[in-house]
Amino acid sequence: AAGVIQSPRHLIKEKRETATLKCYPIPRHDTVYWYQQGPGQDPQFLISFYEKMQSDKGSIPDRFSAQQFSDYHSELNMSSLELGDSALYFCASSATSAAGGSTDTQYFGPGTRLTVL
Amino acid sequence: AQSVTQLDSHVSVSEGTPVLLRCNYSSSYSPSLFWYVQHPNKGLQLLLKYTSAATLVKGINGFEAEFKKSETSFHLTKPSAHMSDAAEYFCVVSDLTSGTYKYIFGTGTRLKVLA
Repeated sequence: AAGVIQSPRHLIKEKRETATLKCYPIPRHDTVYWYQQGPGQDPQFLISFYEKMQSDKGSIPDRFSAQQFSDYHSELNMSSLELGDSALYFCASSATSAAGGSTDTQYFGPGTRLTVL
Repeated sequence: AQSVTQLDSHVSVSEGTPVLLRCNYSSSYSPSLFWYVQHPNKGLQLLLKYTSAATLVKGINGFEAEFKKSETSFHLTKPSAHMSDAAEYFCVVSDLTSGTYKYIFGTGTRLKVLA
C-alpha cells in the first residue's frame, strides 16, 4: 500500500539559510499535518491543512510557512534557520470522513532529518 | 484541553516476559486514543487506536490496550516481549479543531528488551 512520502530524507543547512521540505500524502487523503520532533523529544504539532486550506496551527515559528497544493502535496518552508531548528520533521496524512472533515487516524511519513550547522 | 501522560520514561523487560506501558489521559469528551511505535531513526507506526467501539483494543504485533474510563487510563500490554519490540512508544490523544484532528503526544516510553 502507498504510504506518505517525504523528501528529502536528510538535509544539512547553515544558519540563516532556507529549507523546503516536501510531503506527498497517501492517495485520496486530503488532510496533511506537520510535526517537529527535537532530539529526545516527543513530536510537536506545527500546522495542518484540509482541502488546501490551513485548518489548525500549533507552535510553528513565524519564520516557517507551509501550504497545500492542488494535488494535495504540502511544503514546509523554513527561513533564517537557527541551530534549534535541527530536528526530525514528520508529515502525516489522514482520509476524509463520510460526514466531511478528516478522520482521526494519521499515517506518518518517514520524516526529514534537518541538521542546521 | 486534551493531554496524555506516560508514567514511565523507560521500561526494561526480559525477552519472553510481559510488557506494560502506562498512559493516562485527560479529556473533556470521549477521546480518540492511539499508541504509536518509533524504532530508532524511523518514522511513527500505528500500533492500535481506541474510538469507543470496544474498550479492549487489539493491535499489531501482539499488542493490545484497554481503555478504562474510571481510571482515565489506556495502558499498552503485550504478553511476551520480543527483542524487536525495543523502541520508543508514544501514547497519543487526538484533538478536533476546525474539522481536522491534531495529535497531542505523550513524552514517550523507551522500551528495552533484555536477552
